[in-house]
Amino acid sequence: SQQGEEDPQALSIQEGENATMNCSYKTSINNLQWYRQNSGRGLVHLILIRSNEREKHSGRLRVTLDTSKKSSSLLITASRAADTASYFCATVKTGANNLFFGTGTRLTVIP
Amino acid sequence: GAVVSQHPSWVICKSGTSVKIECRSLDFQATTMFWYRQFPKQSLMLMATSNEGSKATYEQGVEKDKFLINHASLTLSTLTVTSAHPEDSSFYICSASIRLAGTDTQYFGPGTRLTVL
Repeated sequence: SQQGEEDPQALSIQEGENATMNCSYKTSINNLQWYRQNSGRGLVHLILIRSNEREKHSGRLRVTLDTSKKSSSLLITASRAADTASYFCATVKTGANNLFFGTGTRLTVIP
Repeated sequence: GAVVSQHPSWVICKSGTSVKIECRSLDFQATTMFWYRQFPKQSLMLMATSNEGSKATYEQGVEKDKFLINHASLTLSTLTVTSAHPEDSSFYICSASIRLAGTDTQYFGPGTRLTVL
């Protein structure tokens, strides 16, 4: 399977705390993307990091990429109850244009 | 911009019937559309890649005769689940791809929940 894996599978934190999710993948990639999905809804694109980038920021989001370890992390700082959702990493293989999703992390932020 | 719609948003059907799901890119033309399915509390699994005017490319294990994909225009792709059975009940999500700054970016539809009785 080309599907990546994420950990933890579930994460519960207090509002204001930081949340860190990790993603590991198996093949060489062109880029890695993070998505958010509220329960039973579509996906919202959060951030894209290319294979030649090591870190990227967007608002309260910080993404790192380590291609030597085939892993990425998503950090959400100063979490809010509205951040409660499932978060998925997805990779685009070198030479391809389709996404392969990780197993996802269900984040619960307690007010 | 870059809005993708799906219709219907949910559907309930009897076993043995066929169901068609539409995916439209509303404000852009997408040469490539993708279809995914998602079981409860699980990840998205790519079913097929659909290019306008050509046959879809199916992922391993996905029956092309059961999941018929038609990509008739640059803004519309359809997925037809033929002779649906209860095990086909799932959340089906499409995405449409557009190239921005040299990178293909997928925009996802809101999903269609299919329940087969």
